[in-house]
Amino acid sequence: SQQGEEDPQALSIQEGENATMNCSYKTSINNLQWYRQNSGRGLVHLILIRSNEREKHSGRLRVTLDTSKKSSSLLITASRAADTASYFCATAGRETSGSRLTFGEGTQLTVNP
Amino acid sequence: KAGVTQTPRYLIKTRGQQVTLSCSPISGHRSVSWYQQTPGQGLQFLFEYFSETQRNKGNFPGRFSGRQFSNSRSEMNVSTLELGDSALYLCASSILTGINEKLFFGSGTQLSVL
Repeated sequence: SQQGEEDPQALSIQEGENATMNCSYKTSINNLQWYRQNSGRGLVHLILIRSNEREKHSGRLRVTLDTSKKSSSLLITASRAADTASYFCATAGRETSGSRLTFGEGTQLTVNP
Repeated sequence: KAGVTQTPRYLIKTRGQQVTLSCSPISGHRSVSWYQQTPGQGLQFLFEYFSETQRNKGNFPGRFSGRQFSNSRSEMNVSTLELGDSALYLCASSILTGINEKLFFGSGTQLSVL
């Protein structure tokens, strides 16, 4: 079963608007990562936030982490049609060894031109 | 620098057959992980190899196996294929093994079992 649950499952917005996706997880984590997947392709790493961090920025991306609520959010500002993709959160649990990640179910983002 | 390369891109097999998928990691990366992606189960971890040793294994039956060669290239094998094995199989590499490693994914092998 998936560690994370993402909300919403699908999101459709207009170009230039902001998109916010949420992720909840169940166990204690070392870090949380966000990945993007274009249809039928591999995943691309976007950002990693460690359990002792609360917020992180990378370009138009802003990620927050609330370990007390076991949740994270990904904000994409000024969205573009090229941002259309599925977005997944992935966690590395405290009990995890190696590079094993547990992925959420993903949010399908559609940005309309 | 070349990315993670997976071959073949598409594969069609019938039930009962076996299949071998190949993954070449980014040059210098020593860890290779495999994931299965299906519409119903999402992304599920299969196994991770580091320096030719299996580091982690997910909850898949013994029909799923893998190995890593001295040049870090990896293969995964699925024997006695079942319809439910139809999926996108993704390989990911990282420089080292560890919880803070960023994974670089290939484009995947789309396996269809008829």
